Amino acid sequence: ETGVTQSPTHLIKTRGQQVTLRCSSQSGHNTVSWYQQALGQGPQFIFQYYREEENGRGNFPPRFSGLQFPNYSSELNVNALELDDSALYLCASSLRDRNLNTEAFFGQGTRLTVV
Amino acid sequence: GNSVTQMEGPVTLSEEAFLTINCTYTATGYPSLFWYVQYPGEGLQLLLKATKADDKGSNKGFEATYRKETTSFHLEKGSVQVSDSAVYFCALSSASGGSYIPTFGRGTSLIVHP
Repeated sequence: ETGVTQSPTHLIKTRGQQVTLRCSSQSGHNTVSWYQQALGQGPQFIFQYYREEENGRGNFPPRFSGLQFPNYSSELNVNALELDDSALYLCASSLRDRNLNTEAFFGQGTRLTVV
Repeated sequence: GNSVTQMEGPVTLSEEAFLTINCTYTATGYPSLFWYVQYPGEGLQLLLKATKADDKGSNKGFEATYRKETTSFHLEKGSVQVSDSAVYFCALSSASGGSYIPTFGRGTSLIVHP
């Protein structure tokens, strides 16, 4: 196990609703990245947080937003859900410090279904 | 921008066969390269990595060598097992504007028959 935990594991929402997904990063890690993985596809980068600030963003609309807390845990919020938002959402944590950047360790993911 | 291209699957093999999954990349700077594995219904697990040219990453019988001249990081295993059936993702991570954001390929499904 990686020590990265995500909640909930599964979720069903209705189109137009809002959802919050949570991630606890591995102990000692200060960077959290969120990915969307559609069925049969590779993970697509949503955004990354480093020391509580957004530190990179992929090609996702503003209704995808996030937070990182002082303990480095993180939330992903999605507003105005659309059917195409149905996917596995993965959180990954890593440690970044000057010239050091560890590999990303992934949680088990949250399976979001929008109906 | 950065990108990773993997061979399309599924790759179907018999137990004890030799495995190669091709991966090539495009990146600025000097990326680190990774292979991740995803078992059904689970998140991604790091399988192996290489951080500089000519490095060989290895784990659980899998190997991959960082080839800068061909921008490749092909995954190999000499004798696959049924338990190796999973989806394998090649990925790279390089500094971009102060961030290290892994970029993933689309994944290659491996099916191993007894």
